Amino acid sequence: NAGVTQTPKFQVLKTGQSMTLQCAQDMNHNSMYWYRQDPGMGLRLIYYSASEGTTDKGEVPNGYNVSRLNKREFSLRLESAAPSQTSVYFCASNLLVRVSGANVLTFGAGSRLTVL
Amino acid sequence: AQKITQTQPGMFVQEKEAVTLDCTYDTSDPSYGLFWYKQPSSGEMIFLIYQGSYDQQNATEGRYSLNFQKARKSANLVISASQLGDSAMYFCAMSVFNNAGNMLTFGGGTRLMVKP
Repeated sequence: NAGVTQTPKFQVLKTGQSMTLQCAQDMNHNSMYWYRQDPGMGLRLIYYSASEGTTDKGEVPNGYNVSRLNKREFSLRLESAAPSQTSVYFCASNLLVRVSGANVLTFGAGSRLTVL
Repeated sequence: AQKITQTQPGMFVQEKEAVTLDCTYDTSDPSYGLFWYKQPSSGEMIFLIYQGSYDQQNATEGRYSLNFQKARKSANLVISASQLGDSAMYFCAMSVFNNAGNMLTFGGGTRLMVKP
């Protein structure tokens, strides 16, 4: 049972380069999320997808785009990387049902991105 | 908007003693959930415990309990009988259920160090 799988685990980019972080879940979850974690801070939501075919901005969406490719996959793209995007990125998923806040997020292992 | 505050950047506890990690939250929504996650040095996010805003009793999971004081808007994590393996970052998080998703808002975290 793989859960949430993110690739790559590590990446070094030069300023202005582009890249895509891939995320896939095998738990039949309908909601998926991308967070970033900077040193000394908690996780901040970049984008989310409540269900297949929908995406919405989170707290810090600038400089990113996302694609919900299908129910399993949710990718995060940096079109022109900047040093401020150096961070650890986490993908997560859960099953959105009509129960107040009870849906625990399952996280991927994280992707460490460095932009020089 | 939701806000989570963890006022203890770092804490020490002696092995086998109990420790309380503080968390306060702010939301105007009456229906919400509170979560605690552990992040060891390896980086993964591990779900520990959940409390719903309408739950009458405080949540417990093994050595973890959540001291939920709704009027004070606090959701402190209590770890009993600390172990060396409890040394990690701990994050408090909150979600407000809505049709657009079940996003978690995270606090800044508390680094717990268990002394032998």
